[in-house]
Amino acid sequence: AQRVTQPEKLLSVFKGAPVELKCNYSYSGSPELFWYVQYSRQRLQLLLRHISRESIKGFTADLNKGETSFHLKKPFAQEEDSAMYYCALYNAGNMLTFGGGTRLMVKP
Amino acid sequence: EAGVTQSPTHLIKTRGQQATLRCSPISGHTSVYWYQQALGLGLQFLLWYDEGEERNRGNFPPRFSGRQFPNYSSELNVNALELEDSALYLCASSLSTGYEKLFFGSGTQLSVL
Repeated sequence: AQRVTQPEKLLSVFKGAPVELKCNYSYSGSPELFWYVQYSRQRLQLLLRHISRESIKGFTADLNKGETSFHLKKPFAQEEDSAMYYCALYNAGNMLTFGGGTRLMVKP
Repeated sequence: EAGVTQSPTHLIKTRGQQATLRCSPISGHTSVYWYQQALGLGLQFLLWYDEGEERNRGNFPPRFSGRQFPNYSSELNVNALELEDSALYLCASSLSTGYEKLFFGSGTQLSVL
């Protein structure tokens, strides 16, 4: 069965510091992974997906199949990055399995 | 363009009652997903509907059910409510093959007393 683990429920950093939100997965097939974000008083929305290999709002995420990880990184955190971040794994059956989420707090 | 809309915003019920939650997808989207977000448990997949059919369901008891109407809107029904059903229920929609981008509603907060 597929599983997504986000080991940190809360991550607190200062503005300008690097950020890494961890995500580990277990899945027997070829994984397709995503990061979703929920800003305060806003809806959950897609941030980025690994197949696009894109950078959104300065965030990147690299799929490491050897370590079964898909960590989200940003070199310099901004206060507006404060939000709840969810890692998600797509599986056959058109189902997204979400991790438990990490709350990122960026302090001024 | 209107986003995914859910109603009601809040719902208070007592144990044993039934709850009905509603979702209207983005125009043109045929897939609707339901997720439960209980405190401390993250998002748990409940149900997926596409073109009026239930395509997949998560690990929830049969008292969680739903349907999708011809206009692609959807209902989630929870029978014989239990205290642990208290959660935020999120609906999301996508194009039929658009699993990679789900658009979420604001959710219905269900409280079971």
